[in-house]
Amino acid sequence: GAVVSQHPSRVICKSGTSVKIECRSLDFQATTMFWYRQFPKQSLMLMATSNEGSKATYEQGVEKDKFLINHASLTLSTLTVTSAHPEDSSFYICSARQTDRGNEQFFGPGTRLTVL
Amino acid sequence: DAKTTQPTSMDCAEGRAANLPCNHSTISGNEYVYWYRQIHSQGPQYIIHGLKNNETNEMASLIITEDRKSSTLILPHATLRDTAVYYCIVRVRSNTGKLIFGQGTTLQVKP
Repeated sequence: GAVVSQHPSRVICKSGTSVKIECRSLDFQATTMFWYRQFPKQSLMLMATSNEGSKATYEQGVEKDKFLINHASLTLSTLTVTSAHPEDSSFYICSARQTDRGNEQFFGPGTRLTVL
Repeated sequence: DAKTTQPTSMDCAEGRAANLPCNHSTISGNEYVYWYRQIHSQGPQYIIHGLKNNETNEMASLIITEDRKSSTLILPHATLRDTAVYYCIVRVRSNTGKLIFGQGTTLQVKP
């Protein structure tokens, strides 16, 4: 089946630093990937849609300058949390859309970000 | 995308069938019903999807009412490992359809 990986699985950083999270589709090409954020005991919130070779589309209320998304290849999208603060601590999850399987979305295992 | 309504939580005895309902009364004709589940601290896992016919795979069955305004996910023999949050989502199955998650149903399978 379609496999999506994320790296790192956990990261702890100091306030003010930037953190990069990678999302890879391992056995298929994905022109579109998605980034979600999930706070404790809450549902997943879609942050942005990442399109290969073009700018990401951000959901309302998501700061594009704070959450930089790059989708430079058909198998890799990155999310960089710039100048991270404790309120950015969350579970970040990516998904990739597999075009040749009916546009189904497959999710990565998530990245736990803790900002001290 | 249409909004869905699910019960907040449900319990099920191990070995019994778990029936998880979902209302989607405003679903459009080209929107599919998807079910995902999320086990604690993991990414969501795809379970099943359907348009109007009932569907079955190795994980579950999906029963969609004739008017498509509601559906039921059936786990035929629930195990402790099925304890998770189950999300019912409706979306257009295209290259523009997005998965928007609601609050889901927390299913607790008890021994």
